[in-house]
Amino acid sequence: AQSVAQPEDQVNVAEGNPLTVKCTYSVSGNPYLFWYVQYPNRGLQFLLKYITGDNLVKGSYGFEAEFNKSQTSFHLKKPSALVSDSALYFCAVRDGGRSNYQLIWGAGTKLIIKP
Amino acid sequence: ETGVTQSPTHLIKTRGQQVTLRCSSQSGHNTVSWYQQALGQGPQFIFQYYREEENGRGNFPPRFSGLQFPNYSSELNVNALELDDSALYLCASSFRQGPDTQYFGPGTRLTVL
Repeated sequence: AQSVAQPEDQVNVAEGNPLTVKCTYSVSGNPYLFWYVQYPNRGLQFLLKYITGDNLVKGSYGFEAEFNKSQTSFHLKKPSALVSDSALYFCAVRDGGRSNYQLIWGAGTKLIIKP
Repeated sequence: ETGVTQSPTHLIKTRGQQVTLRCSSQSGHNTVSWYQQALGQGPQFIFQYYREEENGRGNFPPRFSGLQFPNYSSELNVNALELDDSALYLCASSFRQGPDTQYFGPGTRLTVL
């Protein structure tokens, strides 16, 4: 069965420090992996995705994510955190080999950036 | 902004009533997916429509139904509302070709009393 785990409910980082939000996944075929961000009372905003190719994917707002096939992980990173990065972050996966285009979502990680 | 719009923004209903939520896709997108997001949780897939036909369904009962129109806009209908249906309902549009990225609307907050 397909699944996504975000092991940390909350991540606290000081402004200017690097941040990492963790995600691991399980799919039977090749994974299509996505990161989205959600601000309070708002919909989900697309940050980046991994389909194939370079394991380091760059996205919006200076975020990047590293795909690690052996560890089935897709951690979100940013070299220098901003207070405005504080939000709820979701990792999602789709099995690229299936015709069902359903996205499976993690439970989310609340990122708090302190000044 | 993604160009995906949803209406209404907020809705309050009572148990047993029926509700219709609406979604307009981003221009050029032919696929719409609906999700339910309960407070403090990740989105749960309800179903997806591609060219006016249901293309995949999550673990939701038949009282959750949908439509997609020729202009690719969509409706989510929920009959016999229950208290647990209270949630944020998200619509996402995409262009179904390859690893389509889904772009989300702002959501409709449904409260069932």
